Amino acid sequence: QQQVKQSPQSLIVQKGGISIINCAYENTAFDYFPWYQQFPGKGPALLIAIRPDVSEKKEGRFTISFNKSAKQFSLHIMDSQPGDSATYFCAASKDNTDKLIFGTGTRLQVFP
Amino acid sequence: DTGVSQDPRHKITKRGQNVTFRCDPISEHNRLYWYRQTLGQGPEFLTYFQNEAQLEKSRLLSDRFSAERPKGSFSTLEIQRTEQGDSAMYLCASSLAGGGTSTEAFFGQGTRLTVV
Repeated sequence: QQQVKQSPQSLIVQKGGISIINCAYENTAFDYFPWYQQFPGKGPALLIAIRPDVSEKKEGRFTISFNKSAKQFSLHIMDSQPGDSATYFCAASKDNTDKLIFGTGTRLQVFP
Repeated sequence: DTGVSQDPRHKITKRGQNVTFRCDPISEHNRLYWYRQTLGQGPEFLTYFQNEAQLEKSRLLSDRFSAERPKGSFSTLEIQRTEQGDSAMYLCASSLAGGGTSTEAFFGQGTRLTVV
């Protein structure tokens, strides 16, 4: 049973545009929602994370929006750059040191 | 480099052979996790340790898989009698848990296993 559903599977964005990736979760016990960025041949790297006590968190060009009632959260990348081209994974866990349940990933391509 | 280190980076083995991977976590981290990632998918949890104790194992971890963390430092993941379906990237991560201080999980670069 997939506990974290992610969409879209792939995304093509023009340089300077906004990239939006969505995730939905099922387990209401989850209370930590990170986004990881992965480049080919590398391990995932934490980009930004949120807890359900806030509805939005912004770090530079990256923003997480969180809707607890809908059990959904999304990543917004503002002013997308070619260097942002990577695979992005949402994840969820019961705290930030528990096992992570990952979404299936979104391959983002940003064209100049 | 003080990040999570995995060895080897790549391993090609014949079906039926045994393989062992090593993970060296960030030195002060007490939790160590193993995940498996197949092409086009997100990482899937396999098992994790707190210090030397293995606290949880996924049902994905068949009897052919065994993991150890003998002194609460590095960990090994062994796959016996490898099958083609074992071909994947095996990722290790570590974090610091408890005592009022905690960190997110930091991942290594993974070991890519190809079973031929």
